[in-house]
Amino acid sequence: AAGVIQSPRHLIKEKRETATLKCYPIPRHDTVYWYQQGPGQDPQFLISFYEKMQSDKGSIPDRFSAQQFSDYHSELNMSSLELGDSALYFCASSLVVTGTDTQYFGPGTRLTVL
Amino acid sequence: AQSVTQPDIHITVSEGASLELRCNYSYGATPYLFWYVQSPGQGLQLLLKYFSGDTLVQGIKGFEAEFKRSQSSFNLRKPSVHWSDAAEYFCAVGVPYSGAGSYQLTFGKGTKLSVIP
Repeated sequence: AAGVIQSPRHLIKEKRETATLKCYPIPRHDTVYWYQQGPGQDPQFLISFYEKMQSDKGSIPDRFSAQQFSDYHSELNMSSLELGDSALYFCASSLVVTGTDTQYFGPGTRLTVL
Repeated sequence: AQSVTQPDIHITVSEGASLELRCNYSYGATPYLFWYVQSPGQGLQLLLKYFSGDTLVQGIKGFEAEFKRSQSSFNLRKPSVHWSDAAEYFCAVGVPYSGAGSYQLTFGKGTKLSVIP
């Protein structure tokens, strides 16, 4: 079965640079979620989109922005990168059916900021 | 605000032994509950989930979990552990949000499972 695709899988950036992470949800899924997992930490919810509209927002820094496009893929844009942004970024997708849908996670993008 | 507590940071069991990973949550209503497993450097794989109904939930790979409302717990169990079960296990609470869409997950800190051959 098709899974969530994230690209790139690994990304190395310098401080103050920008980064764009991409997420391709499972076909027919209408909701995308972004999570950040710091080293040795639990994943933290950043933001979600349902039918291309932002549906919820968590602990996402103002330097980060995200959107979901007409083909349902999503991009997380990160500017003025800081050392603390080094983390594993997960995208998850789901098909919302009465709210009891399951979030399926992608393999993650490992961002290293030097 | 919701929270999830996994009291055991690291557990070591022998292959073939039984396993129970503890999870307690704090949330004002009946939560959605999940267990995910993560191998090193890998993504999160869903083991099982609870939305409502039968409080004993069966998952993949022979895992099960029981929702106990009175104890605010959702412990994960497996009768016989295999070496391939070594990984990190995360318990999570799904908190529905208003408007269109679904829920955001709040994770516990995780329990690392080591298996002795």
